[in-house]
Amino acid sequence: AQSVTQLDSQVPVFEEAPVELRCNYSSSVSVYLFWYVQYPNQGLQLLLKYLSGSTLVKGINGFEAEFNKSQTSFHLRKPSVHISDTAEYFCAVIPYNQGGKLIFGQGTELSVKP
Amino acid sequence: GAVVSQHPSWVICKSGTSVKIECRSLDFQATTMFWYRQFPKQSLMLMATSNEGSKATYEQGVEKDKFLINHASLTLSTLTVTSAHPEDSSFYICSARVLAGSSSYEQYFGPGTRLTVT
Repeated sequence: AQSVTQLDSQVPVFEEAPVELRCNYSSSVSVYLFWYVQYPNQGLQLLLKYLSGSTLVKGINGFEAEFNKSQTSFHLRKPSVHISDTAEYFCAVIPYNQGGKLIFGQGTELSVKP
Repeated sequence: GAVVSQHPSWVICKSGTSVKIECRSLDFQATTMFWYRQFPKQSLMLMATSNEGSKATYEQGVEKDKFLINHASLTLSTLTVTSAHPEDSSFYICSARVLAGSSSYEQYFGPGTRLTVT
């Protein structure tokens, strides 16, 4: 069975500070990795994804993530956050050859304060 | 591109009535759509996988007779909550999967439907 663990349920940070949202996964097969953002009362928007190739992935809104296979991690980073980055962030995986189902982590609430 | 819409965006219904939620892929064809349920401050829970022209596959613990899913075309899937009760109140989100190329596993999400059963 596969699982995704987001190590922090809430991350408060001041505007213009750097932030890292942590994500670890457990899987017996290889996986594709995703980060999604959800603003209040809205659906999910894809921030970035790792399918193959370079382990450093750049996404929208200045976010990036690095896939570390040995540590089974896919942490999300941004060097300088804005108030508008306040949202819920979900890490997710799709295991290879298992019907394409997304397995989500519990979510991390990023709160950016002025 | 890859826009998914849901209708309605919010609905209030009385206990015992049925509610239909539509999920449409506006600019692409989606042979597979997924339905999720999300409680406040929680993650998304997959309810079912919907494939065009065939019966939906429900996750363990999801009542298929209560949550009816129909995927009649490559751009439309519907979720009907039958005989709704207050505990069915939730945020329902659909997603659609694009088939082609390297995006074959990427899902595009609708904006969600807030259901309140009184």
